[in-house]
Amino acid sequence: EEQLVESGGDLVQPGGSLKLSCAASGFTFSVSAIHWVRQAPGRGPEWVGRIRTRRNSYTKTYAASVQGRFTISRDDSKNMAYLQMNSLKIEDTAVYYCTRLQYGLDVWGQGTTVTVSS
Amino acid sequence: DIVMTQSPDSLAVSLGERVTISCKSSQSLLYSSNNNNYLAWYRQKPGQPPKLLIYWASTRKSGVPDRISGSGSGTDFTLTISNLQAEDVAIYYCQQYYSTPDTFGQGTRLEIK
Repeated sequence: EEQLVESGGDLVQPGGSLKLSCAASGFTFSVSAIHWVRQAPGRGPEWVGRIRTRRNSYTKTYAASVQGRFTISRDDSKNMAYLQMNSLKIEDTAVYYCTRLQYGLDVWGQGTTVTVSS
Repeated sequence: DIVMTQSPDSLAVSLGERVTISCKSSQSLLYSSNNNNYLAWYRQKPGQPPKLLIYWASTRKSGVPDRISGSGSGTDFTLTISNLQAEDVAIYYCQQYYSTPDTFGQGTRLEIK
């Protein structure tokens, strides 16, 4: 079964940092672009960013709202992707999903919750 | 950024009836080199991640029942659900993956009348 599992969500103070992990299984991770999507309470999904494959030079792209604060990375040897989040703001509070782009975002994790609050 | 606008925001339909949800993009999602529209539809139920239903605007993901269909091209797209079932109660989102940032519509909440 193709699967993504996120972890690392937590309660963090404004200005703090957090690193989320995404573990993949059941498919060839190294040839899959990985996207991060978040969803604030009661809101629709918001695209955060993506990392492409080695073939595409591991190109990374971010939403303007997180550019310069968030960094996506991957370790193909471990079938893992990561989202490093720095300078967190209250408005970053959301469930964070990692997801695979094939034709559309076809595999999603169950999400991990990040709460930014003092 | 490409803006995606769905209509209606919500609707209530009787079991067995047909539902249509509209999605409009602020620019064309049709990539001329391959003639594909970079438009997907998702369904989301409470406490669950979005689930892909349709990609390339009209291609049903494996396992999605054929009473769910997508159509449209360019900037205007439609999701149609025929013979509405109780399991269809959810929020539906369109999403463009033509250019980053990928953007989603605001969602359409579907309920049973």
